[in-house]
Amino acid sequence: DGGITQSPKYLFRKEGQNVTLSCEQNLNHDAMYWYRQDPGQGLRLIYYSQIVNDFQKGDIAEGYSVSREKKESFPLTVTSAQKNPTAFYLCASSAGTGREQYFGPGTRLTVT
Amino acid sequence: AQSVTQPDIHITVSEGASLELRCNYSYGATPYLFWYVQSPGQGLQLLLKYFSGDTLVQGIKGFEAEFKRSQSSFNLRKPSVHWSDAAEYFCAAQKGNGQNFVFGPGTRLSVLP
Repeated sequence: DGGITQSPKYLFRKEGQNVTLSCEQNLNHDAMYWYRQDPGQGLRLIYYSQIVNDFQKGDIAEGYSVSREKKESFPLTVTSAQKNPTAFYLCASSAGTGREQYFGPGTRLTVT
Repeated sequence: AQSVTQPDIHITVSEGASLELRCNYSYGATPYLFWYVQSPGQGLQLLLKYFSGDTLVQGIKGFEAEFKRSQSSFNLRKPSVHWSDAAEYFCAAQKGNGQNFVFGPGTRLSVLP
């Protein structure tokens, strides 16, 4: 089955700790994206990558970091510098620009 | 600035009734347009997309959307709503020249039995 997997589904961390969210796709898509979703709000773009070993900041990149060492993987690290990290994080991929994005099931991160 | 608006934050309809969710975009030229659905705690699922051509687009789960250039709108419709359609619906647009998606704020749909 082709798709996008995100793990874990739920993640709990103490304040001050870095945490890495996993995103893997087997759709052979070039582009991958990370979004943040807060209750009652739409999606805000954190980072995106259009090709391996290259990525760009989105609208709310502060306090986050990413890597794209493999085509199928695009992990997101939420650092201790992120002031309000508790949120629902969604990973997506697409075959390229101008193409529809496909989403993973999301990871709910709670930081206390 | 490019934007996507969904004027209705929350809509409630009775099961079996028809549905229309509104979406307006503000772009210099017609963007690519999409509708997604999200069930609570889940990812987004693509319902349908419009790139060009026929302005009435058919999607999955019995949904359709109509593109109206004169109104900068891409409204989502369903003739008869089922209880399982209760979810959050997002309209999105993309310029298609390498720019990223812009999502609307979403419309939450409740379905009364």
